[in-house]
Amino acid sequence: DGGITQSPKYLFRKEGQNVTLSCEQNLNHDAMYWYRQDPGQGLRLIYYSQIVNDFQKGDIAEGYSVSREKKESFPLTVTSAQKNPTAFYLCASSSPGQGSKKGVSYNEQFFGPGTRLTVL
Amino acid sequence: KQEVTQIPAALSVPEGENLVLNCSFTDSAIYNLQWFRQDPGKGLTSLLLIQSSQREQTSGRLNASLDKSSGRSTLYIAASQPGDSATYLCAVPLWDSNYQLIWGAGTKLIIKP
Repeated sequence: DGGITQSPKYLFRKEGQNVTLSCEQNLNHDAMYWYRQDPGQGLRLIYYSQIVNDFQKGDIAEGYSVSREKKESFPLTVTSAQKNPTAFYLCASSSPGQGSKKGVSYNEQFFGPGTRLTVL
Repeated sequence: KQEVTQIPAALSVPEGENLVLNCSFTDSAIYNLQWFRQDPGKGLTSLLLIQSSQREQTSGRLNASLDKSSGRSTLYIAASQPGDSATYLCAVPLWDSNYQLIWGAGTKLIIKP
């Protein structure tokens, strides 16, 4: 089955620690994204990557870092510089002109199940 | 600057009712609009994507409409069921980006048996 996986489902971090969230997709999508979701708010874009070895900052990139060494993988590191990292993190992917539905546009994004990060 | 608003933030209705969820956007120059569903503690599932040239899209009991001139989209759910309980989010692409989406905060829907 094609899809997006995220691990772990739950993650606990002590203050001052860096942690890395995993995101893998086997949809053969070019673009991948990381979002942060806080209660009662819309999704906010942290980083996105259009192709391998390239990524751009989103609206709230401070305190986060990413890499895109493989098409299938887009890990997110939450560094100790992130002041309030407790949140639900969602990974997504998309690909121009592709999809299971005829006429799908390049903006249709497909999401993983999320990782809930809690700072202790 | 594009802003997306979803009102109400929460909605509770009895099972079997037809209902409408609202999504408003401030800039009518959009490529498309997408509706998503999110179950508690889960990722998002894409429900419907309406292209800017379309007026509506249907999938089963769901019908999404788009009126660019008024900056509105509605998601109509027919014959609601308890399994429809979830948060529904809408999003539109940033005009000068192929990749970035602007999100509403969502409407939390509860269908009472």
